[in-house]
Amino acid sequence: EIVLTQSPGTLSLSPGERATLSCRASQSVSSSSLAWYQQKPGQAPRLLIYGASTRATGIPDRFSGSGSGTDFTLTIARLEPEDFAVYYCQQYSITPRTFGQGTKVEIK
Amino acid sequence: QVRLQQWGAGLLKPSETLFLSCTVYGGSLNFDFWSWVRQTPGKGLEWIAEVDYRGTTNNNPSLRSRISVSLHTSHNQFSLKLTSVTAADTAVYYCARLTDGLDVWGQGTTVTVSS
Repeated sequence: EIVLTQSPGTLSLSPGERATLSCRASQSVSSSSLAWYQQKPGQAPRLLIYGASTRATGIPDRFSGSGSGTDFTLTIARLEPEDFAVYYCQQYSITPRTFGQGTKVEIK
Repeated sequence: QVRLQQWGAGLLKPSETLFLSCTVYGGSLNFDFWSWVRQTPGKGLEWIAEVDYRGTTNNNPSLRSRISVSLHTSHNQFSLKLTSVTAADTAVYYCARLTDGLDVWGQGTTVTVSS
């Protein structure tokens, strides 16, 4: 099983600031089968990034993903008020298709 | 545009069996993986199982033999069965489609296991 470790657990930032979220895998994620999701209270997760760096349909370009192998990053260039949420990474390279524990981006 | 609508019982007693179904609207079951994910406050998001368009299934080993997923192509549905539930199975359960990432999600079903 691939264990995904996200850091930090909580990120306290102001609107307009840059957010950098990390996801580290216990073993290499092949074909960059790594996705990022955003979740707001009471809602299902929403796919932001797949293939480590490709934005899903309708996702603003302030969201970007990078990385390969075991180290991946989600960057939000300039935080908008609607970006304050919890973010999860997931590998879908092998089963079980594991998730990280999440990073909460909160308003400072 | 594909949409998923899920339903099932929300309150169960320990040792009972959980049944959830998910209907696919605006698309076909004939591609991709059809997945179940649950979320608990303590454990975050947990991938449970999936079934592909041929009926091939993959399950989370942590749930061992308690879980089964299946396709019902005539109704454009897929389903989840979890036997011998305990309080630890209390969670919000989601169905979702896996293509590149889980790109379409159901609305979620809150399942509570309590005597």
